Amino acid sequence: EIVLTQSPDTLSLSPGERATLSCRASQRISNNYLAWFQQKPGQAPRLLIYGASSRATGIPDRFSGSGSGTDFTLTISRLEPEDSAVYYCQQYGNSPPYTFGQGTKLEIK
Amino acid sequence: QVQLVESGGGVVQPGRSLRLSCAASGFSFSIYGMHWVRQAPGKGLEWVTVISYDGSNIHYADSVKGRFTISRDNSKNMLFLQMNSLRVEDTAVYYCAKKLSGGTGYPPDSWGQGTLVTVSS
Repeated sequence: EIVLTQSPDTLSLSPGERATLSCRASQRISNNYLAWFQQKPGQAPRLLIYGASSRATGIPDRFSGSGSGTDFTLTISRLEPEDSAVYYCQQYGNSPPYTFGQGTKLEIK
Repeated sequence: QVQLVESGGGVVQPGRSLRLSCAASGFSFSIYGMHWVRQAPGKGLEWVTVISYDGSNIHYADSVKGRFTISRDNSKNMLFLQMNSLRVEDTAVYYCAKKLSGGTGYPPDSWGQGTLVTVSS
């Protein structure tokens, strides 16, 4: 089973700043099948990025994904108050289980 | 517009069974794989199981293998999760989610609002 470790656990930034969230895998993720989700309190997760760097439909270009192999990054440029949420990475490439990271909580001051 | 509506959650005693349903609409259900993902109260997301578009390919997380069974009825656009031998640690909101594309190598993109399962004596 691939273990995904996200860092930091919590991030506190101001509007307009840039957020950099990390997701590290315990082994190489085939075909860079790595996704990022945003979840706000009381809501279902929302797909942001798939294939490590492809934005899902309707996702603003402030959100970008990068990385390959075992190290992946979600970058949110020009933070807005509504970006406050928990962000999860998930690998869906290697054989199941399609594990999630433990999440990074992003707070906008 | 994709819509996924889960139902069947509730309070159940340890060792008992529960069947969750997910009604799908707004897309061609029969050509998409489907997932169940759960989230314990105040915790992160846990992938549970996935079924291929035709039901021929199924995988489970180790934590539910042998106890949970995923199935689908493409004629009714319905997804199911039969949960047996429930444990306290199965308490969670259960989400059904559609795969982004009909092919392999795609994550879940559209999610329902979830149904809460509470396992307690």
